Amino acid sequence: KAGVTQTPRYLIKTRGQQVTLSCSPISGHRSVSWYQQTPGQGLQFLFEYFSETQRNKGNFPGRFSGRQFSNSRSEMNVSTLELGDSALYLCASFGSPGRANTGELFFGEGSRLTVL
Amino acid sequence: DQQVKQNSPSLSVQEGRISILNCDYTNSMFDYFLWYKKYPAEGPTFLISISSIKDKNEDGRFTVFLNKSAKHLSLHIVPSQPGDSAVYFCAASARGGTASKLTFGTGTRLQVTL
Repeated sequence: KAGVTQTPRYLIKTRGQQVTLSCSPISGHRSVSWYQQTPGQGLQFLFEYFSETQRNKGNFPGRFSGRQFSNSRSEMNVSTLELGDSALYLCASFGSPGRANTGELFFGEGSRLTVL
Repeated sequence: DQQVKQNSPSLSVQEGRISILNCDYTNSMFDYFLWYKKYPAEGPTFLISISSIKDKNEDGRFTVFLNKSAKHLSLHIVPSQPGDSAVYFCAASARGGTASKLTFGTGTRLQVTL
């Protein structure tokens, strides 16, 4: 079973630009979550999508947005980039939201964004 | 406001000994707790979880203990192996036992020495 695929793996942007990151979940998984990892902050929840609908949202400004397509692939977008947006952005998928013991979130390798 | 705290940023343990990683939380609504392991340049991988109705869950060399009254959980690895060297994240959910909207700690870097 192919894992969660994230593209691009690395990218460099400058302040004020915008960026779009892509995530393909494991085949058959309908739920996709996004997390931001920064040194000293751990992983922070951005948002979660299920069947093209945003189910949960973390405490991030409106510059951070996302969407999910009918094939479960997801994208997240960050507009008007700031230096503090430099981070590893991780996408994760799991099979059936609402089922108990679904701790097995499958993470991709992440997209490392550097903002200069 | 860090609702899940891992106060030890690093831990060094000899091969064959026990590794104990600790995690504290403040939100009493959390009802499901998980541990993830992360190697450099890889995404986190799920290790073990525990529901708030239990106080212990075991899976091979890994055991998680939950003390609800103290809002504390710990991960025990016995025996520790060099391949266990990684960053370990504690995570919690208040979503009825699902992995939805996890709150993570800042991680503990475990180094298992020969």
